[in-house]
Amino acid sequence: ELKVEQNPLFLSMQEGKNYTIYCNYSTTSDRLYWYRQDPGKSLESLFVLLSNGAVKQEGRLMASLDTKARLSTLHITAAVHDLSATYFCAVVPETSGSRLTFGEGTQLTVNP
Amino acid sequence: EAQVTQNPRYLITVTGKKLTVTCSQNMNHEYMSWYRQDPGLGLRQIYYSMNVEVTDKGDVPEGYKVSRKEKRNFPLILESPSPNQTSLYFCASRRFSSYEQYFGPGTRLTVT
Repeated sequence: ELKVEQNPLFLSMQEGKNYTIYCNYSTTSDRLYWYRQDPGKSLESLFVLLSNGAVKQEGRLMASLDTKARLSTLHITAAVHDLSATYFCAVVPETSGSRLTFGEGTQLTVNP
Repeated sequence: EAQVTQNPRYLITVTGKKLTVTCSQNMNHEYMSWYRQDPGLGLRQIYYSMNVEVTDKGDVPEGYKVSRKEKRNFPLILESPSPNQTSLYFCASRRFSSYEQYFGPGTRLTVT
């Protein structure tokens, strides 16, 4: 059974600081997604990572993928309050076709 | 406007009373999927569909049915709802050639 684990699950940080959210998964994967969810809202797609060494950046967020280590990271640079949200990674195993398994989510709070 | 719509957005019902949550997309996407979101468990995939008349089970299909008679619609059917199906449900869709997935606004279901 595929396991997708994020850490930390809760993160409180100050504006201007940097931090990294980790996503580990237990089987080989075709692709890895990162999503953002604001309280009471739906999910917004942030990144899709398709190959080993893939790196994508959008504003203060940068995601990377190491398929050998089965690890993805979401790095936050110089956090601002608007980044407060819950962040999910999700994985499609190589053998599963299109079954998508999510991590538990990381609830990020950026304090002024 | 390209979107995924769900109806109803909120529903309170009683155990055993059949219900249907509709999902519709206007982007001509082949792939559609249903998820449930529960605190501490992240999102779990219920069913997905690769195209018309093609559906497959996700991680938590028990107690749910789906159908895909038209490309734009993917209803979720609870034949005999139980309190453990109280959850927040999301429908999503994507084009098969693209990995970006679009989520609907969510349906909050309470079964008493």
